[in-house]
Amino acid sequence: NAGVTQTPKFQVLKTGQSMTLQCAQDMNHEYMSWYRQDPGMGLRLIHYSVGAGITDQGEVPNGYNVSRSTTEDFPLRLLSAAPSQTSVYFCASSWAPSGGDTQYFGPGTRLTVL
Amino acid sequence: DAKTTQPPSMDCAEGRAANLPCNHSTISGNEYVYWYRQIHSQGPQYIIHGLKNNETNEMASLIITEDRKSSTLILPHATLRDTAVYYCIALSWGGTASKLTFGTGTRLQVTL
Repeated sequence: NAGVTQTPKFQVLKTGQSMTLQCAQDMNHEYMSWYRQDPGMGLRLIHYSVGAGITDQGEVPNGYNVSRSTTEDFPLRLLSAAPSQTSVYFCASSWAPSGGDTQYFGPGTRLTVL
Repeated sequence: DAKTTQPPSMDCAEGRAANLPCNHSTISGNEYVYWYRQIHSQGPQYIIHGLKNNETNEMASLIITEDRKSSTLILPHATLRDTAVYYCIALSWGGTASKLTFGTGTRLQVTL
C-alpha cells in the first residue's frame, strides 16, 4: 500500500493563478480531509468528505473548492491564489466515515504564492 | 470535541522516559484521547489512543486518569528521532463527521 499520496511536493504560484493539489489513498477509506499548516501553527481543517459525492466545509474553506468523484481521490482546487494561501497542505484519510478514527496523513504540498 | 491543553515545550535526555502531559478537563464520556506527532514538517503520525484504560503499543504508553480529565503520553526510552511536536486531541467516534482539531501541541526536544 502506498497509503496517502500528494502531488506536487512543492509549488510556486503567482497571485491570481489557479491550481489543483492532488490527493489519493489506496486504503479504501471513506473519510478524507484537507488541512493547511502555517509556520509555527497547528493544522486547520479546510474541507472534508465522508464518502464519494459528499463534501463539507471545515474551519477555513474560503478560496478553496473540493470534489469527491471516487473513493480514492480528493483534489483541492485553489480558484485564484493569494499570498495568504502560502502554506503547507496536508491530506488525510481514515476508515470511519465520521472521521473519528486513526487518520493517515500524506507528506504534504508546500505552496508559495507570490 | 473537548479542548485540550499542553505545555508548549519540553526537553528530555536521550535514553530517558519522556512524559508528555495533556489536560482535557471537559472531555465527554464518548470522546477518545488521541496522540499524534509531527516530525519536522512531515505529515502528522498517529501514536496511540485510548478511552479510559491505559494503553500501550510499540511506540508509547498512554496513561489516562480515572476521572479522564488528563492524560500522559510516555515514550519509555526517548531517542533523538523522537524530537517532534506532539499533539493531544479529544475526539468522538460515530455520529456526524468529526473534525480533527490540532492545537499547537508540545515541542519535545530530545538531547544527548
